[in-house]
Amino acid sequence: QKEVEQNSGPLSVPEGAIASLNCTYSDRVSQSFFWYRQYSGKSPELIMSIYSNGDKEDGRFTAQLNKASQYVSLLIRDSQPSDSATYLCASGGATNKLIFGTGTLLAVQP
Amino acid sequence: DTAVSQTPKYLVTQMGNDKSIKCEQNLGHDTMYWYKQDSKKFLKIMFSYNNKELIINETVPNRFSPKSPDKAHLNLHINSLELGDSAVYFCASSPPLGGELFFGEGSRLTVL
Repeated sequence: QKEVEQNSGPLSVPEGAIASLNCTYSDRVSQSFFWYRQYSGKSPELIMSIYSNGDKEDGRFTAQLNKASQYVSLLIRDSQPSDSATYLCASGGATNKLIFGTGTLLAVQP
Repeated sequence: DTAVSQTPKYLVTQMGNDKSIKCEQNLGHDTMYWYKQDSKKFLKIMFSYNNKELIINETVPNRFSPKSPDKAHLNLHINSLELGDSAVYFCASSPPLGGELFFGEGSRLTVL
C-alpha cells in the first residue's frame, strides 16, 4: 500500500487561474512535508516545506497541512505556463527518509 | 558549482552487464541517498548513508551495492543488469537534521 497518494492528473488549468494539488499520507508519525516540482527530464527541486498545521505562503505558492486528516495541499495562484510540471508530494518521519507520492502532472494552458 | 553531481548522465547497456554510477556532493551534508524513479515518475528510496554508514536499505536486490568512501561520495554498483533496472537513478543529500533533499541531475539507465 502506498504511503503517500496523489492524483496523477493531468490537471489542466488556464493561465492566471489557481491550481490546487492534493496529497494524502498514511503514516501518522510523519512530521515533515514537502512539495517538489519536476520538469520533464530534470531532477526534482523543492518549492515548499511545511511542518505545522495550517497554511504557509511563499510568493504564489501556499502549502496547507491538516495532520488530523493526514492531508497536504499546494495552491499555485496566478498559474503560468512555466508552472507546467509534475508536482511531487513527500512526507518525512523521524528517520531521514522521505516517502514520495507518484506526482501530479500540471498543465497550465496559455 | 554543481551541488550534487552524478556521472554518467546516460548509460545504455545490455542485460547481464555490470555498471556503476558515481555521486559527489559539495554541500557538506552528512547524509546521502540513492532514489530510483521509474517510467511512471514514482520516486522510491533505495539506500541512505550517514557519514559513510548505511542507515537505510530498502528492499533492493543484492545486485545493487552502494559504497560510500567518504561522506561526500556515494556510488552505486549494479551487477547482472536486468530489463527492470531501466530507470532514472537520482543521488541526493540532506543536511544533518534531515528535511530537504538536494538532488543530482539523475542518471538514466537503459538496459537492452
